[in-house]
Amino acid sequence: GQQVMQIPQYQHVQEGEDFTTYCNSSTTLSNIQWYKQRPGGHPVFLIQLVKSGEVKKQKRLTFQFGEAKKNSSLHITATQTTDVGTYFCAGPIGGGADGLTFGKGTHLIIQP
Amino acid sequence: KAGVTQTPRYLIKTRGQQVTLSCSPISGHRSVSWYQQTPGQGLQFLFEYFSETQRNKGNFPGRFSGRQFSNSRSEMNVSTLELGDSALYLCASSSTDPNSPLHFGNGTRLTVT
Repeated sequence: GQQVMQIPQYQHVQEGEDFTTYCNSSTTLSNIQWYKQRPGGHPVFLIQLVKSGEVKKQKRLTFQFGEAKKNSSLHITATQTTDVGTYFCAGPIGGGADGLTFGKGTHLIIQP
Repeated sequence: KAGVTQTPRYLIKTRGQQVTLSCSPISGHRSVSWYQQTPGQGLQFLFEYFSETQRNKGNFPGRFSGRQFSNSRSEMNVSTLELGDSALYLCASSSTDPNSPLHFGNGTRLTVT
């Protein structure tokens, strides 16, 4: 069925290194959202991208939405221990009839 | 504003029993969605309620049901519990726009033995 794929599943980095997670949808999305879940916590909304080719920045985080609106990426510059967690992308597959469809997430593990 | 409140935080049940989970959305939010989170399947959509009506439904068996009250509070019920129902159940509220971001509660950790 229609789905949202995320890679990698796990990413180990040294503190200070950069990190990127990629998200691909099987269908064109009207928008894509990114969430972060800390260990033991709940998903927290980070950002929503709507326009083709859109790029948004939040401090060290850079979010991109592909030209075809089927893929997205999140890049973190100079990771810090506070960045630890799982990053999810999510989109309204099928126009949202199945709610917001989440990717399986990328677990970011940071070694000090 | 207070966030999304879910009760209880933890629950242990036996196979065959039923369980009811509760969710109070952010004040003013009329949409409430429920998700099941497991290590293997990730976050899976259960259903969404808006103005006391089920607006969307995921691919879960009929043992999973929900409802929403006039004050937007929502409950979900799982009957005839199975071991595989052990999961973190997350409730999320959002504003009227179907594409608006989800605000999640802390979840209810259900363990079925």
